[in-house]
Amino acid sequence: DIQMTQSPSSLSASVGDRVTITCRASQGISNYLAWFQQKPGKAPKSLIYAASSLQSGVPSKFSGSGSGTDFTLTISSLQPEDFATYYCQQYNSYPLTFGQGTKVEIK
Amino acid sequence: EVQLVESGGGLVKPGGSLRLSCAASGFTFSSYSMNWVRQAPGKGLEWVSSISSSSSYIYYADSVKGRFTISRDNAKNSLYLQMNSLRAEDTAVYYCARECSSTSCYGAPDYWGQGTLVTVSS
Repeated sequence: DIQMTQSPSSLSASVGDRVTITCRASQGISNYLAWFQQKPGKAPKSLIYAASSLQSGVPSKFSGSGSGTDFTLTISSLQPEDFATYYCQQYNSYPLTFGQGTKVEIK
Repeated sequence: EVQLVESGGGLVKPGGSLRLSCAASGFTFSSYSMNWVRQAPGKGLEWVSSISSSSSYIYYADSVKGRFTISRDNAKNSLYLQMNSLRAEDTAVYYCARECSSTSCYGAPDYWGQGTLVTVSS
């Protein structure tokens, strides 16, 4: 199975900060990497597919990069509505696997 | 508008069974692969099972293999998860999620339902 490791597990940031979350795969997954945002008590929301492509309707302040084993999600200017938990997921092979999540909190 | 609405969750005793449903609307259901993903209280997301558009390909997480069965009825625009021999560790919110079908995003989940809570407890 492919293990997905996110770092950090949590971070505190201020409105307007640039935030970067890292996701590392235990083996190469090409660009078959998705990112999701989840707010408390809500369903996940798809943000990015194929490592760097924005889902329809997702604001351009979100960006993704990487290929192979190392990936990043960047939020260019953190807004109050961005405080949430973010997950990466590989869909290169079964079983599909998620990172453990990164909680972005208000400083 | 794409909509996925799960139902069928509830309280069940260990060893019991439950059938979850996911009603799809706003898209051509028969053209998309579908997933079940769960989230235990206070924990992260865990993939459970996937089914291709015509049910030709089905996959399960090891944690549910042999106990859970995924299925779909394209005529009814519905996805199902039959859960048998339930354990306390199956307690979670269960989400259905659609997989993108276009070449550029094939395989990536794009839409999610709101989830249904399954509690396994005596």
